[in-house]
Amino acid sequence: DAMVIQNPRYQVTQFGKPVTLSCSQTLNHNVMYWYQQKSSQAPKLLFHYYDKDFNNEADTPDNFQSRRPNTSFCFLDIRSPGLGDAAMYLCATSRVTGAPGELFFGEGSRLTVL
Amino acid sequence: GQNIDQPTEMTATEGAIVQINCTYQTSGFNGLFWYQQHAGEAPTFLSYNVLDGLEEKGRFSSFLSRSKGYSYLLLKELQMKDSASYLCAVMDSNYQLIWGAGTKLIIKP
Repeated sequence: DAMVIQNPRYQVTQFGKPVTLSCSQTLNHNVMYWYQQKSSQAPKLLFHYYDKDFNNEADTPDNFQSRRPNTSFCFLDIRSPGLGDAAMYLCATSRVTGAPGELFFGEGSRLTVL
Repeated sequence: GQNIDQPTEMTATEGAIVQINCTYQTSGFNGLFWYQQHAGEAPTFLSYNVLDGLEEKGRFSSFLSRSKGYSYLLLKELQMKDSASYLCAVMDSNYQLIWGAGTKLIIKP
C-alpha cells in the first residue's frame, strides 16, 4: 500500500492560475519535503517541515508556498504558475532530520502550464 | 560550492554488469544515498553508505571511499527492468541532501 500519496498525479493549469498539490503520509514521519524536478535534472528542494517548523530554501521563489495543517498532510501552493514551473513535484518524508534517514517519496504530481 | 558528478547516460547489455560512478564535493559528509528512478516515477531508495567499503544487497552493490569523495553503484545480471535513472545524493554537514542529476541507464537485449 502506498505510504506517501500525492494528488493529483497530473495537473494542467493555465499561466497564472493558482494550483494546489497535496501530499499525505501514513508513516507518521516528522519531516516532509517538497521537491521540484525537471526533466533529466536533480530534484531541487523547495522547502521542508520538521513537524510544524517550516524551512524555506533560500532560492525558492515567493510564488511557492506550503502548508502543513497536521502530521499527515502537506500542501504545495503555486500562486501564479509560469511556464518555467512546469515540472514534476515530489513529496517525500523521513523519520527525523539531523540524522541520516531514508526518504520515502510519493509518486509525484506532474504539472503542465499552458 | 557543493557538487555531485555522475555520467549523464550509460548503455549496457542484458545479463551484463555495469558500474555507475559518482564523485562529490560537499560541505561535510553524513552519508551517500543511491536512488533508482524510472521515467515519470518517483525515486526509490537503493542504498546508503556512510563508512568506506562495499555494501551488497542482492544484485546491487554500493561502494564508498570518503577520502576520494567517490562512490559507485554496481548492478549485476542486468535485467530490462533495470533501465532507469540512478541518482546519487550526499547528505552534508547540515543534513541536507545534495542530489546529482542522475545517470540514465539503457539496457539493450
